[in-house]
Amino acid sequence: QSVLTQPPSASAAPGQRVTISCSGSSSNVGSNTVNWYQQLPGAAPKLLIYTNSQRPSGVPDRFSGSKSGTSASLAISGLRSEDEADYYCAAWDDSLNGAVFGGGTKLTVL
Amino acid sequence: EVHLLESGGGLVQPGGSLRLSCAASGFTFNNYAMTWVRRAPGKGLEWVSSVLGSALNTYYADSVKGRFTISRDNSKNTLYLQLNSLRGDDTAVYYCARGFPLAHFDNWGQGTLVTVSS
Repeated sequence: QSVLTQPPSASAAPGQRVTISCSGSSSNVGSNTVNWYQQLPGAAPKLLIYTNSQRPSGVPDRFSGSKSGTSASLAISGLRSEDEADYYCAAWDDSLNGAVFGGGTKLTVL
Repeated sequence: EVHLLESGGGLVQPGGSLRLSCAASGFTFNNYAMTWVRRAPGKGLEWVSSVLGSALNTYYADSVKGRFTISRDNSKNTLYLQLNSLRGDDTAVYYCARGFPLAHFDNWGQGTLVTVSS
């Protein structure tokens, strides 16, 4: 069981918008910033969103993040086939004194 | 350009040991905390351990505490992870990543596979 809760799967058609949720608690998402990672098949993870909603250089603005209370979400608009990947949220947990990841969401572009 | 290259993975028997290395280049190594994250087959990412730039402070997930040891040699720009008392559930691809505070890992290596099996 992961400390952060994500839906195991999500899907949408090309061009559509999809949202992936990440639910935590007061010791992690509720008190610390959230980061999102994308892992394409056979590749290393990549930082996609940091500090809740910031995009690293090179990440398209089709990707956006938000946080409210103990939940966060990742939105992807204008879906493309190359967006098919596993997506993970992550945050620092004050109680565990360590980083925690969500279980991951496998995104399928129909 | 930041580059992280892991090595040292392989097949090891339960109870055995292994030492992973991560060679870093393209940035001032001792200015950054470094981290190991793993992904077991069919499962998601799991934070394993981190070390601050000074090497004085280390952090471990409960699942590896007392069995794994993280270290770094800033003169060689290299991060290490000593894996002892290995178990089947330690089987995973181990990734080296730059960063640590607030679970912000901005660069990742390609990973090295550790398989624990008899």
